[in-house]
Amino acid sequence: GAGVSQSPSNKVTEKGKDVELRCDPISGHTALYWYRQSLGQGLEFLIYFQGNSAPDKSGLPSDRFSAERTGGSVSTLTIQRTQQEDSAVYLCASSLGLAGAGTQYFGPGTRLLVL
Amino acid sequence: DQQVKQNSPSLSVQEGRISILNCDYTNSMFDYFLWYKKYPAEGPTFLISISSIKDKNEDGRFTVFLNKSAKHLSLHIVPSQPGDSAVYFCAASRKGNNNDMRFGAGTRLTVKP
Repeated sequence: GAGVSQSPSNKVTEKGKDVELRCDPISGHTALYWYRQSLGQGLEFLIYFQGNSAPDKSGLPSDRFSAERTGGSVSTLTIQRTQQEDSAVYLCASSLGLAGAGTQYFGPGTRLLVL
Repeated sequence: DQQVKQNSPSLSVQEGRISILNCDYTNSMFDYFLWYKKYPAEGPTFLISISSIKDKNEDGRFTVFLNKSAKHLSLHIVPSQPGDSAVYFCAASRKGNNNDMRFGAGTRLTVKP
């Protein structure tokens, strides 16, 4: 399909383990965003990539969280030493990157459960 | 700090009637507002937006109203259809700062046949 895809769709892990979440944005979209949605909360901004610029990491909740975007396309969000409070749906979105005007297109999300 | 608030976690309406979803924001710097719709197991999809220079934007059955003085916006769906049943997220941002978008917690709308 031509939309944003994410994998895995569900991930169950044990506390203390590392996890990697993958996002494939829409082809041609220069901007990529990661959000998470905890139970009963809104979407919380995590990190933003725009082209070759340095990413905006201001939303990452701790240094256990990191993200990469290789070749300006696929992105991986890594959570090290997972904690139970990391359990959430992690959503990726991409846009044409037009500041303020680019509608964000979301993937289906990865539901992470840390036991 | 919840800058965008949707105080009603759920709303139920009868098919054919009007659905009104409300959203409040606290940051007066926000000047661009959006509504997203989310079905289960899918990502949110863009529905309608409004710039702060307007107080109303209409697209078919969907109308968004903005009251800047009250820092309040609402989404009206009329007539409501069962297929409109979903979670609706309100979002706000400052133009030129796409990474500064803030979302509400969502309102689950159920339209009963």
